Amino acid sequence: GENVEQHPSTLSVQEGDSAVIKCTYSDSASNYFPWYKQELGKGPQLIIDIRSNVGEKKDQRIAVTLNKTAKHFSLHITETQPEDSAVYFCAALFTGGGNKLTFGTGTQLKVEL
Amino acid sequence: EAQVTQNPRYLITVTGKKLTVTCSQNMNHEYMSWYRQDPGLGLRQIYYSMNVEVTDKGDVPEGYKVSRKEKRNFPLILESPSPNQTSLYFCASSQETSGRYEQYFGPGTRLTVT
Repeated sequence: GENVEQHPSTLSVQEGDSAVIKCTYSDSASNYFPWYKQELGKGPQLIIDIRSNVGEKKDQRIAVTLNKTAKHFSLHITETQPEDSAVYFCAALFTGGGNKLTFGTGTQLKVEL
Repeated sequence: EAQVTQNPRYLITVTGKKLTVTCSQNMNHEYMSWYRQDPGLGLRQIYYSMNVEVTDKGDVPEGYKVSRKEKRNFPLILESPSPNQTSLYFCASSQETSGRYEQYFGPGTRLTVT
């Protein structure tokens, strides 16, 4: 089955700096890679996703990059703000095999003033 | 408003006392699943359901049961809870829309088994 590794487990940045979270996946058949943000006391919420036929996708201050050859994808947050503080999860899915997402272990991001 | 609801939000129980955590979604999604979240382990899928009366094991199904008699409801049943089932549980529902497989998560149920 699919295995997703995520690093780092904790990340502390100064407000205004950039944050990068990295994930690797094992199943080359995976072709959909979402990122979820989990705020304290809430369930995870989708913030951005990318399909395997695209190398990069941006949405305002967040972007995701995908390297299919290396089976590696990353989340980039620029100009970080205190409200970006949360746990972030990457995930991988093979769209031909149902809706089963395999999640990474999560990154606790803290944006300090 | 599109949402997934879970009840109860918090539950403290004793070993062996059967319990059910309810989950309901109002988006008419076919796919629903249960996850448990533990520190350092991320979200692990317990069971999932592709549609009514269709359920299957996820990655950590031992000690759990589910049922899907109606499309909107997907309860999680612990017949004989044990302390190692102390965890934060999330229900989720999803459906493919324009190539996006967004899972909508409930607010979570924090279960403590003593």
